[in-house]
Amino acid sequence: KQEVTQIPAALSVPEGENLVLNCSFTDSAIYNLQWFRQDPGKGLTSLLLIQSSQREQTSGRLNASLDKSSGRSTLYIAASQPGDSATYLCAALSGGGADGLTFGKGTHLIIQP
Amino acid sequence: ETGVTQTPRHLVMGMTNKKSLKCEQHLGHNAMYWYKQSAKKPLELMFVYSLEERVENNSVPSRFSPECPNSSHLFLHLHTLQPEDSALYLCASSRGTFAYEQYFGPGTRLTVT
Repeated sequence: KQEVTQIPAALSVPEGENLVLNCSFTDSAIYNLQWFRQDPGKGLTSLLLIQSSQREQTSGRLNASLDKSSGRSTLYIAASQPGDSATYLCAALSGGGADGLTFGKGTHLIIQP
Repeated sequence: ETGVTQTPRHLVMGMTNKKSLKCEQHLGHNAMYWYKQSAKKPLELMFVYSLEERVENNSVPSRFSPECPNSSHLFLHLHTLQPEDSALYLCASSRGTFAYEQYFGPGTRLTVT
């Protein structure tokens, strides 16, 4: 059974810093890995999707990498802003897709103005 | 309306009530999902529908009953719930169940009293 772990659980940094959020998964036979953002009391906003054949994806100040062999993904946020404050979730799709996404517990990020 | 919508956004129900959650996707997708997000636990997959047929039931108690009348609509019928069922219920959709990006609705915050 797939398990996803995110480290750290919480992170508080000053505005402008570059930061890295970590995600690890136990079953490397994934089809893709998706990073989401969740604001308090809200649904999930998809940030980046990395297919299993890809090594990284970029969108603006966000860059996500995937290393299937080691069971790891990282989300890099450049030049952080207070508006980046949210919970960041990573989720792995495995088991033929019909199993749905397996989520980590998330990293709660606070960017201090 | 665009994307994935959910109604109601908030619901308070007693343990003997019967209620339904509604999800509608305006993306032309063929797969729809129900997820549950409880406090301090990762998002958990509940049900998967592909082309209106249920392809996954993730060991969910029978007091939760899904219905997918067409590829755009998904319902979650609730009856005789327990207080521990209080959670944020999220609906998602994707083009298919295999390796496609999932798009989430804003969720329904359910409180069982």
